Amino acid sequence: EAQVTQNPRYLITVTGKKLTVTCSQNMNHEYMSWYRQDPGLGLRQIYYSMNVEVTDKGDVPEGYKVSRKEKRNFPLILESPSPNQTSLYFCASSLGSAGGYTFGSGTRLTVV
Amino acid sequence: AQSVSQHNHHVILSEAASLELGCNYSYGGTVNLFWYVQYPGQHLQLLLKYFSGDPLVKGIKGFEAEFIKSKFSFNLRKPSVQWSDTAEYFCAVSPSGGYQKVTFGTGTKLQVIP
Repeated sequence: EAQVTQNPRYLITVTGKKLTVTCSQNMNHEYMSWYRQDPGLGLRQIYYSMNVEVTDKGDVPEGYKVSRKEKRNFPLILESPSPNQTSLYFCASSLGSAGGYTFGSGTRLTVV
Repeated sequence: AQSVSQHNHHVILSEAASLELGCNYSYGGTVNLFWYVQYPGQHLQLLLKYFSGDPLVKGIKGFEAEFIKSKFSFNLRKPSVQWSDTAEYFCAVSPSGGYQKVTFGTGTKLQVIP
């Protein structure tokens, strides 16, 4: 089944403790992206990647890092999480901007 | 840079009523346009997309949208809604050509009353 898999689904952590949210797709998509969803703000792009080793900042990249060492994987790294990063995070992939995204199931992160 | 506006934040309809959700975008060139749906507690799913050709686009679950270039609009429609259409709907836009950044609107919550 074609899908984007994120882990974990839920995560509660403390301020400053480094964490990684994994994202993997099995559709051989070139483009991958991370979004955060907050009430009233819709989805805001954090980082995106056009191919292996090619990444760029989205609208809200501060406090996040990404890497794209393999085509299928696009992990999101929070080096020192803060409470304002409490949010619902979605990973997505697509063949191109005209194809539309396939989204993962989301990761609900709470930073206390 | 592009932007998207969804003016209706919350819409309440009775079953069998017709639906139209507004979406306006701002961008000076050609665009790709999308509607996504997010059912409660779930991830976003693509409803339909427009990238060229016929401006009337049909999607899944009986939804359609019309691209009106002169109005920079891409409104979502459904002739008769069902309780199962209760969800949040997001419009999105990206400039055409290669990979371009996709920008989402803030969403419209649709509540369908049985």
